[in-house]
Amino acid sequence: EAQVTQNPRYLITVTGKKLTVTCSQNMNHEYMSWYRQDPGLGLRQIYYSMNVEVTDKGDVPEGYKVSRKEKRNFPLILESPSPNQTSLYFCASSFYQSTDTQYFGPGTRLTVL
Amino acid sequence: EDQVTQSPEALRLQEGESSSLNCSYTVSGLRGLFWYRQDPGKGPEFLFTLYSAGEEKEKERLKATLTKKESFLHITAPKPEDSATYLCAVLFGSNYQLIWGAGTKLIIKP
Repeated sequence: EAQVTQNPRYLITVTGKKLTVTCSQNMNHEYMSWYRQDPGLGLRQIYYSMNVEVTDKGDVPEGYKVSRKEKRNFPLILESPSPNQTSLYFCASSFYQSTDTQYFGPGTRLTVL
Repeated sequence: EDQVTQSPEALRLQEGESSSLNCSYTVSGLRGLFWYRQDPGKGPEFLFTLYSAGEEKEKERLKATLTKKESFLHITAPKPEDSATYLCAVLFGSNYQLIWGAGTKLIIKP
């Protein structure tokens, strides 16, 4: 089944404790991205990747890191999480770029205390 | 300022009661407009892409239309399983930027 998977689905952590949210897709997509979704706001892009070893900042990159060492995986790293990073996070992939139809993962709900 | 606004924020309808959701935008150089459906606890799922004013697309009880300032998602004779949050996203500019609306939560009561 073609899909985007994320882990964990739920995470409660404390300020400053490094964490990684994994994302994997099995559709051989070139383009992957991370979004955060907050109440009353539209999805906001954090980082995106056009291909392996190619990543770039989105609209709200502060406090986040990413890597793209393999085509299928695109982990999101929070090296020192803060309460304002409490949010619902989505990983998405598409064939070549953001103009293509995007396929989203199920989301990761993160709470930073 | 480039922005996308969806209205209403929430809409409650009786089963079979047709209505429309609105996505209005102020951007320069529209490249396309996307509609997605999001169920609780899940990621958005693609519905339609519209590229130019006057374009229309249909899928089951849903019909999306596009003008130079807004898009409508028309829902005809909705069923409870149509309950979801509907998101629109606008692609624009020379850099192909994408802005998402905050969504409309649609509830269809049996």
